[in-house]
Amino acid sequence: DAMVIQNPRYQVTQFGKPVTLSCSQTLNHNVMYWYQQKSSQAPKLLFHYYDKDFNNEADTPDNFQSRRPNTSFCFLDIRSPGLGDAAMYLCATSRVIGPSEQYFGPGTRLTVT
Amino acid sequence: DAKTTQPNSMESNEEEPVHLPCNHSTISGTDYIHWYRQLPSQGPEYVIHGLTSNVNNRMASLAIAEDRKSSTLILHRATLRDAAVYYCILSPRSGSARQLTFGSGTQLTVLP
Repeated sequence: DAMVIQNPRYQVTQFGKPVTLSCSQTLNHNVMYWYQQKSSQAPKLLFHYYDKDFNNEADTPDNFQSRRPNTSFCFLDIRSPGLGDAAMYLCATSRVIGPSEQYFGPGTRLTVT
Repeated sequence: DAKTTQPNSMESNEEEPVHLPCNHSTISGTDYIHWYRQLPSQGPEYVIHGLTSNVNNRMASLAIAEDRKSSTLILHRATLRDAAVYYCILSPRSGSARQLTFGSGTQLTVLP
């Protein structure tokens, strides 16, 4: 049973055209994260929500925004995608902030043309 | 942030044990040691974590050095499905963010 679901799995957008990636979870976890993983690189945390509290990493570009309308859903908005934003975007959840494991979704691969 | 050092790649034969090393000489007393793995075209998957004592679960064992400056992830019997990038990550026990800062990891190849 899928626990962290990401849609779509593949997304193509045009340079500068806003795009939204979605993530849902059936785990009822309080914390949701978005990571960016570029080709042949390790995942990099963009931001996370603890419940409704949003926490942005210091080096996350302003072009990236997130919304969490309820416990189950979290969205990643890229306002004006550039070619350098082509990557795999990974959503993850954890029960609490602290030493607990994170559960990752399969990712959405974003292509920018 | 305390950093980890892992070999870029390792090979193992199927059905043999695999010992994946990780050095973390600047680990602080409250840092947990986490291991995640990422199979091809999938999101990372939690494997195991520990603080001071050795840990075992259904997937693997984690052996932590007495001085905590290194650890070893042990896969007792490698299968082809264990081929993945294995990440050793330090994470503070407390703080405002539950951050997983991934390093470059070890690419494990399992040979049939």
